[in-house]
Amino acid sequence: DIQMTQSPSSMSASLGDRVTITCRASQDIGNYLSWFQQKPGKSPRRMIYGATNLAAGVPSRFSGSRSGSDYSLTISSLESEDMAIYYCLQSIQYPYTFGAGTKLELK
Amino acid sequence: EVQLQQSGPELRRPGSSVKLSCKASGYSITDYLMHWVKHRPEHGLEWIGWIDPEDGETKYAQKFQSKATLTADTSSNTAYMQLSSLTSEDTATYFCARDVMDAWGQGASVTVSS
Repeated sequence: DIQMTQSPSSMSASLGDRVTITCRASQDIGNYLSWFQQKPGKSPRRMIYGATNLAAGVPSRFSGSRSGSDYSLTISSLESEDMAIYYCLQSIQYPYTFGAGTKLELK
Repeated sequence: EVQLQQSGPELRRPGSSVKLSCKASGYSITDYLMHWVKHRPEHGLEWIGWIDPEDGETKYAQKFQSKATLTADTSSNTAYMQLSSLTSEDTATYFCARDVMDAWGQGASVTVSS
């Protein structure tokens, strides 16, 4: 199975901060990488697909990038509504595998 | 508007089974795969598998191969997941999600307890 190593596991940041979360894939996954946001008691929400594509309705402060086997989700200017757990997902090989999640909290 | 409406919370005894439903509206389930995902707060998200409602083809993660059974009823535009031989490890919230995971159900809580 492809392992998705996500870091950090948690972080605290201030409003307006630039925040970056990273996933490293254990095998080549090309651009088959998505990012999801999950708030307590809610369903996950797709934020980024194809490593760099912004999903419909997602604010432009969110972006995705790739450098080799490292994939990043960046929030350019943190807002209070962004507090959540973020997961990456690889969908190139079965079983699909999620990263362990990054809990983003307000400092 | 695409919506996935899941069935309500379930409480089951160890060793029993449960069948969860996921009713789609705003599109035909035969047009897209349907995924199922398990969520436990201490374990994060796990992909269970998918079903192609058009022909009933399924794909499972190996660890769920003997645990989950995915089916679909095109006449009611509903997908189902049955979980068998329940243990405390199956206590979780289960989500259905359309194809590229651009739409999700609200989740169904399953609690396994004696």
